[in-house]
Amino acid sequence: GAVVSQHPSWVICKSGTSVKIECRSLDFQATTMFWYRQFPKQSLMLMATSNEGSKATYEQGVEKDKFLINHASLTLSTLTVTSAHPEDSSFYICSALTGGGRNSPLHFGNGTRLTVT
Amino acid sequence: AQSVSQHNHHVILSEAASLELGCNYSYGGTVNLFWYVQYPGQHLQLLLKYFSGDPLVKGIKGFEAEFIKSKFSFNLRKPSVQWSDTAEYFCAVKDSGGYQKVTFGTGTKLQVIP
Repeated sequence: GAVVSQHPSWVICKSGTSVKIECRSLDFQATTMFWYRQFPKQSLMLMATSNEGSKATYEQGVEKDKFLINHASLTLSTLTVTSAHPEDSSFYICSALTGGGRNSPLHFGNGTRLTVT
Repeated sequence: AQSVSQHNHHVILSEAASLELGCNYSYGGTVNLFWYVQYPGQHLQLLLKYFSGDPLVKGIKGFEAEFIKSKFSFNLRKPSVQWSDTAEYFCAVKDSGGYQKVTFGTGTKLQVIP
């Protein structure tokens, strides 16, 4: 159980275009999802916390208007990278809490490799 | 703000050697602690977790970790590693309060030589 599906697994886009990444919880409802970014040889950096039905909470230094997050349902959160630039190329990972109370671990999607040319 | 420090960035061991990966955290409140593993080409998977109770927790694949509150540490151990343990290991701490924010360490790449 606790499967998180992320789509697409990789995407190449041209500079200036927007890319949408989907994160779905397949067998549970996720009131809270998290979006991370992983740079090569570095750890996961939390970008934002996505709460169903409310605005996302962004970490310091993350541009809200560039990384749009929508959590419209209990099983789906989307991250849209708007007007992408080469420096946005990275590995984006979503994760979700299973909702089992405070004592619940994160479950991760497989990640999306974004390359902006 | 919470932070996590992993001291070993790259560890190379021979099969059957014992493993200990260091993890220290800083946070003033109550935390939950995790170790995640990322095998080559795969997504992060939960290895083990500590919430409360016995500070020695056992996870999958023979891994265990000990929470030492006085040292703010949560080191990962395995008595005898296998080639299949080659992966990257991440220590993480979660604020057990309302925000539930999870912070990861920089990861330790483990390479096990047959």
